[in-house]
Amino acid sequence: QKEVEQNSGPLSVPEGAIASLNCTYSDRGSQSFFWYRQYSGKSPELIMFIYSNGDKEDGRFTAQLNKASQYVSLLIRDSQPSDSATYLCAVAAGGTSYGKLTFGQGTILTVHP
Amino acid sequence: DTEVTQTPKHLVMGMTNKKSLKCEQHMGHRAMYWYKQKAKKPPELMFVYSYEKLSINESVPSRFSPECPNSSLLNLHLHALQPEDSALYLCASSQTSLFYGYTFGSGTRLTVV
Repeated sequence: QKEVEQNSGPLSVPEGAIASLNCTYSDRGSQSFFWYRQYSGKSPELIMFIYSNGDKEDGRFTAQLNKASQYVSLLIRDSQPSDSATYLCAVAAGGTSYGKLTFGQGTILTVHP
Repeated sequence: DTEVTQTPKHLVMGMTNKKSLKCEQHMGHRAMYWYKQKAKKPPELMFVYSYEKLSINESVPSRFSPECPNSSLLNLHLHALQPEDSALYLCASSQTSLFYGYTFGSGTRLTVV
């Protein structure tokens, strides 16, 4: 069983719609959760992180965490063609002076005009 | 300064060559990382340095040799690589007191011929 699972997609949404990206993880000791965006040929860029159950909003992005269900999601409102990229879910355990991130396989998002 | 700088951006090397990848950050981060990313795959952790000491080596072949000369610099020395080592090599850094995710550099695109 993979430690962090995402639907690989591609997920295609029309411009202006809500894109919903999902991620599940297997380690119940995981403490922090991250969403990275990666454009083709570029390095990953941190979009959101979340530690507590519930929702966290930042502009058009909302991260949702449910530790009981071991589920984290990212909603992108008013999707734009510039949001087209691969979205990586990443999970970290705690208890160290560094963060060892485990990445999911990534979901390819395409926003079409 | 909120950047992680990697040099070179592109590198082509023969299987008998010795080369080095360099990474520099001035954010005061005391954890630094090397990741390897193959096309259409998520980043894979190679090494973690915490307070300039090697904390994690993910069973990486000895033809990859990391070095952390000081708190701002991280090197990856390459020797006798194989064509399958061709990939995007990503450096990242993070805080150690509270983990808010990595800041990635732009990466070095390595091709082994």
